[in-house]
Amino acid sequence: GESVGLHLPTLSVQEGDNSIINCAYSNSASDYFIWYKQESGKGPQFIIDIRSNMDKRQGQRVTVLLNKTVKHLSLQIAATQPGDSAVYFCAENTGTASKLTFGTGTRLQVTL
Amino acid sequence: EAGVTQSPTHLIKTRGQQATLRCSPISGHTSVYWYQQALGLGLQFLLWYDEGEERNRGNFPPRFSGRQFPNYSSELNVNALELEDSALYLCASTKSGTVNTEAFFGQGTRLTVV
Repeated sequence: GESVGLHLPTLSVQEGDNSIINCAYSNSASDYFIWYKQESGKGPQFIIDIRSNMDKRQGQRVTVLLNKTVKHLSLQIAATQPGDSAVYFCAENTGTASKLTFGTGTRLQVTL
Repeated sequence: EAGVTQSPTHLIKTRGQQATLRCSPISGHTSVYWYQQALGLGLQFLLWYDEGEERNRGNFPPRFSGRQFPNYSSELNVNALELEDSALYLCASTKSGTVNTEAFFGQGTRLTVV
């Protein structure tokens, strides 16, 4: 379904720690998922994607985990840095002629 | 290669006026998506255009409309502006009509209705 207009939850982590951002998606038919990072005053930027035939994908310092059984997606950021401070959104798509549906987003605050 | 470009970056209108926002997709991209992001909130899907046609529409009133031109650029029009239309309007583009590829976003147009 559509993302709802809720105020963003905030995750605070210390610099150097690992961050885990979670996302529950709505459509069991969704087969493609993306994580986006949005810094203040900017548009969302692609971080990493995963297709439904995978349960894990790794990038540079980031890992996305997909659990289709419970319709859950997570983004893990290793050794979090101040530059990681941003709002993170997950997005899902069904693969048919459709739209990207975004989750509500999580604000990540990195403390020194 | 230029990314997705949106204009204007900022727009101030009064209640009841009309606003026109523009988006140029990445070269080679045929699909354009519009999203509304109210301050501090998530992204709400507005419209999806592909190959000049409206393919999908979000839960917004008819005063939100748009079109896609033969060069795949797009316009979003908001008529009879209301205060709650104040938001960041984001445009994204993808290579094909389905979104099993990465969508690239522009920097957005900040619309303020006073």
